[in-house]
Amino acid sequence: AQSVTQLGSHVSVSEGALVLLRCNYSSSVPPYLFWYVQYPNQGLQLLLKYTTGATLVKGINGFEAEFKKSETSFHLTKPSAHMSDAAEYFCAVSPMGAGGGNKLTFGTGTQLKVEL
Amino acid sequence: EPEVTQTPSHQVTQMGQEVILRCVPISNHLYFYWYRQILGQKVEFLVSFYNNEISEKSEIFDDQFSVERPDGSNFTLKIRSTKLEDSAMYFCASGGGVTGELFFGEGSRLTVL
Repeated sequence: AQSVTQLGSHVSVSEGALVLLRCNYSSSVPPYLFWYVQYPNQGLQLLLKYTTGATLVKGINGFEAEFKKSETSFHLTKPSAHMSDAAEYFCAVSPMGAGGGNKLTFGTGTQLKVEL
Repeated sequence: EPEVTQTPSHQVTQMGQEVILRCVPISNHLYFYWYRQILGQKVEFLVSFYNNEISEKSEIFDDQFSVERPDGSNFTLKIRSTKLEDSAMYFCASGGGVTGELFFGEGSRLTVL
């Protein structure tokens, strides 16, 4: 079974500041890990994913995340926040190696607010 | 770029009415999903569908829910007798690659009055 915990349901940063959104996972098998972003009244857009290989993954809009197996973490970061980054961010996990047939399990989401 | 499309974008219905939400997954994908997001809450798995049958379903997916792939392109979610608590955003997703990535539609917002 897989689960995801996102610490902090709301995060507020100043424009230009570092963004750090936390995600810890639990998985009985090696995981695939994902970050999705949801802008107001829109669907879920994939930001980045970890499957195999390099543990630091880069995504769209300047975001990146690092898979740390020892810490069971997959925190999302961006060096400099922009007003357009304000959205809800969801971390998700699925079991590795199962192809397209396994469901994603989502965290509860973190609402990112960017202030001037 | 291929995308998942959903209709309607918003539906308002009376309690007890039947609702059908429609989805067109990405054409070469083989796995299809419905998720639900009640306002302000997490995205919850409802059901997965593969090879013309349900492969997994959650506790939420009770007898009032059903899914169907009536033709080669559409994937539908039917709610037989809607309840107030069915009000939510319903997301369709499809997948087909080895990475397990899912592609989501824009969602169908269901409001039950």
